Amino acid sequence: GENVEQHPSTLSVQEGDSAVIKCTYSDSASNYFPWYKQELGKGPQLIIDIRSNVGEKKDQRIAVTLNKTAKHFSLHITETQPEDSAVYFCAAPSSGGSYIPTFGRGTSLIVHP
Amino acid sequence: EAGVVQSPRYKIIEKKQPVAFWCNPISGHNTLYWYRQNLGQGPELLIRYENEEAVDDSQLPKDRFSAERLKGVDSTLKIQPAELGDSAVYLCASSLDQGGSSSYNEQFFGPGTRLTVL
Repeated sequence: GENVEQHPSTLSVQEGDSAVIKCTYSDSASNYFPWYKQELGKGPQLIIDIRSNVGEKKDQRIAVTLNKTAKHFSLHITETQPEDSAVYFCAAPSSGGSYIPTFGRGTSLIVHP
Repeated sequence: EAGVVQSPRYKIIEKKQPVAFWCNPISGHNTLYWYRQNLGQGPELLIRYENEEAVDDSQLPKDRFSAERLKGVDSTLKIQPAELGDSAVYLCASSLDQGGSSSYNEQFFGPGTRLTVL
C-alpha cells in the first residue's frame, strides 16, 4: 500500500513569512494529492489539491507543487497570517481503483503575530 | 448547506463498556467514510460505504467494531467492548459517488467524536 511521509512535524514562522511543508509518497501510480487543514476541534478541510498531469497549482496565498519523478509534493503558504495556524495533512491515494486517502502524520503550523 | 453532523462530540467511558457514534452525511452524498485519528497522526480509514453497502472494511477490527448504514443515509459505528487503545477521535466524512481512480470527489469531514476510554 501507499506510504506517505510528511515533514516537518512542527513549523513556527512569523506573520508575513512563507511556510513550506513537504511530503513524499511510495506508489508511482498515485495521481491525486490533496492537502487538508485541520483546526482544533474540527475535522480536516480540503484546501487545495493537485493531479499528476500538472506540476503546480495556485490558489491565492497557497500553492502546491508536484514532482512525480522524485515522488514528492509540497505545500507553500505565502504571507502567512495567524489564522493559518493549524495542522496540515498531505494525502495520497491508497492502491486500488477507488480513492481512499493515506494521510501523512501532519504538520503543526504556528504563525506568530 | 449543513455539513456532516456527528454526535456525540465527546464521550468518556470505562474499558469494556460499549459505545456508539452517529453520523449524518451531507444530503445527496452517497459515499460515507469512518476514520480513526489517533493523537498526533493523520486519519486512518476504518470503513467506507457506497449507499448502504460496505465496500471497504479491511481496516475495521471486526472482533469489537461494527458499523451500519441503514437506508443509505445515516450511519452508526459501534465498539463493544471498548479497550484503552480505542481512545481517539472518530471522524465521519461523506462525498459524492467515487468515480474510480480518474475521478476523485472531495471528502467533507464532520467535527469528529473524541472518545476517551478509562
